[in-house]
Amino acid sequence: EAAVTQSPRNKVTVTGGNVTLSCRQTNSHNYMYWYRQDTGHGLRLIHYSYGAGNLQIGDVPDGYKATRTTQEDFFLLLELASPSQTSLYFCASSRGGEQYFGPGTRLTVL
Amino acid sequence: GDSVTQKQGQVTLSEDDFLFINCTYSTTTYPTLFWYVQYPGQGPQLLLKVTTANNKGISRGFEATYDKGTTSFHLQKASVQESDSAVYFCALVDGSGTYQRFGTGTKLQVVP
Repeated sequence: EAAVTQSPRNKVTVTGGNVTLSCRQTNSHNYMYWYRQDTGHGLRLIHYSYGAGNLQIGDVPDGYKATRTTQEDFFLLLELASPSQTSLYFCASSRGGEQYFGPGTRLTVL
Repeated sequence: GDSVTQKQGQVTLSEDDFLFINCTYSTTTYPTLFWYVQYPGQGPQLLLKVTTANNKGISRGFEATYDKGTTSFHLQKASVQESDSAVYFCALVDGSGTYQRFGTGTKLQVVP
């Protein structure tokens, strides 16, 4: 069974703060993704990667950086957090198109 | 570019009612389509996959079909239960096959 874990599960920061969201997958998938989920918008792709050291831009990348350090680990960085980035963030990994999601991180920017 | 539209924001049904959720899509390639289900407090999980090869997917009592003529695909279930209450997303694989475009989700509430 594919396994994707995320940490932290909840995070509160202030405007201008620095936040790193972590994701790890243990199913040897090449592709990993970061999404944000907001009411009325569904899941929107921020960044994705097809391997260590690779990074591809998604549909809503502004204000976010990402880094894939190993095949297992994918990080999302918010260097100057803003209230508009308050959201539920999901990480996913993929093999053959089917995506496996983590449990999510709820981020609140005050 | 590729896109999916899910107009039904919320659906409320009684137990044993018939479920029908619709998505429309736009793509220049042969579509591969997914349905995901998200239960409260969890991440989305794959429910069904539909391709031009199989035209239909069936899982856990749900059936997914697509209609090339109207560029739409549907999720249906003959008799819903309260445990089916969740958000259902449709997703279209992009032309390069490397990521998916998700619809905005349909929240299903099943009342006893």
